[in-house]
Amino acid sequence: NAGVMQNPRHLVRRRGQEARLRCSPMKGHSHVYWYRQLPEEGLKFMVYLQKENIIDESGMPKERFSAEFPKEGPSILRIQQVVRGDSAAYFCASSPPLPNTGELFFGEGSRLTVL
Amino acid sequence: SQKIEQNSEALNIQEGKTATLTCNYTNYSPAYLQWYRQDPGRGPVFLLLIRENEKEKRKERLKVTFDTTLKQSLFHITASQPADSATYLCALGTSNTGKLIFGQGTTLQVKP
Repeated sequence: NAGVMQNPRHLVRRRGQEARLRCSPMKGHSHVYWYRQLPEEGLKFMVYLQKENIIDESGMPKERFSAEFPKEGPSILRIQQVVRGDSAAYFCASSPPLPNTGELFFGEGSRLTVL
Repeated sequence: SQKIEQNSEALNIQEGKTATLTCNYTNYSPAYLQWYRQDPGRGPVFLLLIRENEKEKRKERLKVTFDTTLKQSLFHITASQPADSATYLCALGTSNTGKLIFGQGTTLQVKP
């Protein structure tokens, strides 16, 4: 009965490199959300995905960031050409198909440090 | 502009007392409000959800109120314990998805 699994837990990248963060939702959950938590700030919504579909990406930066949730395998948040300002904790959350209770189940996060 | 505010200062209370945390919002019409607990280096953990047509919700030692006129939610922990020490986040939901707007969180420290 594993929860939401995120990896890597910690990732260090140099400016200009790419970061790939993975998220496996809880079993039976078909909705995945990505949130970003900057130091001393609250969680900010980035993107909401269902299998093979991006439902809402209103919180995603326009450039360098992309997300996918393929038919098979984990959801991926990809950050190209990372900059120091991308250093943050990235949390994935999942929820069951609608109708659901509304609660989100969060992973432990992936902490990205850009040198 | 839209804002959701929680007390930024840490709340320090004595074990056994009731902790009360506040969440205020402006220029939102949330369908529901949630409270989460977050420990250092960990992901948020869901605690309670209260809908716009509900005034109060309870779960064990936890109680949440929701006043849509005042645009405020209060989160109470009765008989607090040192193990309750954590950061507590409130989050607004305006649709039937998991797209939430989070406050910055209030850190609670319960002293033995």
